[in-house]
Amino acid sequence: DVVMTQSPLSLPVVLGQSASISCRSSQSLKHNDGNTYLAWFQQRPGQSPRRLINKVSDRDSGVPDRFSGSGSGTDFTLKISRMEAEDVGVYYCMQGIQWPRTFGQGTKVEIK
Amino acid sequence: EVHLVESGGGSVQPGGSLTLSCAASGFTFNKFAMRWVRQTPGKGLEWISDISSSGDATYYADSVKGRFTISRDNSKNTMYLQMNSLRVEDTATYYCAKGSPGSIDNWGQGALVIVSS
Repeated sequence: DVVMTQSPLSLPVVLGQSASISCRSSQSLKHNDGNTYLAWFQQRPGQSPRRLINKVSDRDSGVPDRFSGSGSGTDFTLKISRMEAEDVGVYYCMQGIQWPRTFGQGTKVEIK
Repeated sequence: EVHLVESGGGSVQPGGSLTLSCAASGFTFNKFAMRWVRQTPGKGLEWISDISSSGDATYYADSVKGRFTISRDNSKNTMYLQMNSLRVEDTATYYCAKGSPGSIDNWGQGALVIVSS
């Protein structure tokens, strides 16, 4: 199985400041079709997850532009450029190149 | 707008069975793969099963293989998860999800399954 490792697992952030979450996979997520299947999900307290970023850096419709994704191969980053109160929650990366699909452990983002 | 509504959750004893349903709307159901993902209390996300758009291909996590069966009825825009031989460790919130290549587009609100004696 592809192991997804996130860091840090807890991230206190000052409102208005930026934050970054790292996600590393145990093997390359680049597919033969040229796409890299790495997605980021946000789960606010008491809610279902929702996707923020698909294929490393494609922001989903309605997602604020303060969220951005980057990376390649096995190393990926989600950046929140200006922390807002509504960004509190747990963030997960997920690989979609191989079954079973696997998620990172989650990073809990809170206000410092 | 995509809507995914799970139903059928509840409490069951170890060794028992339960069937979850996922009613989909807001998209052309028979064009998309569908997925089940679960979340154990206070823990992370675990993908458990996929079904192709036509229903002729299915995939399972090792943790549920041989006990759970995923299916779909494209005429009813509904997906199912038949869960047999349930274990205490299957206690979780089960999410229905709309798939896209290598990803999950949308999630339902979740159905809680509690396995306890």
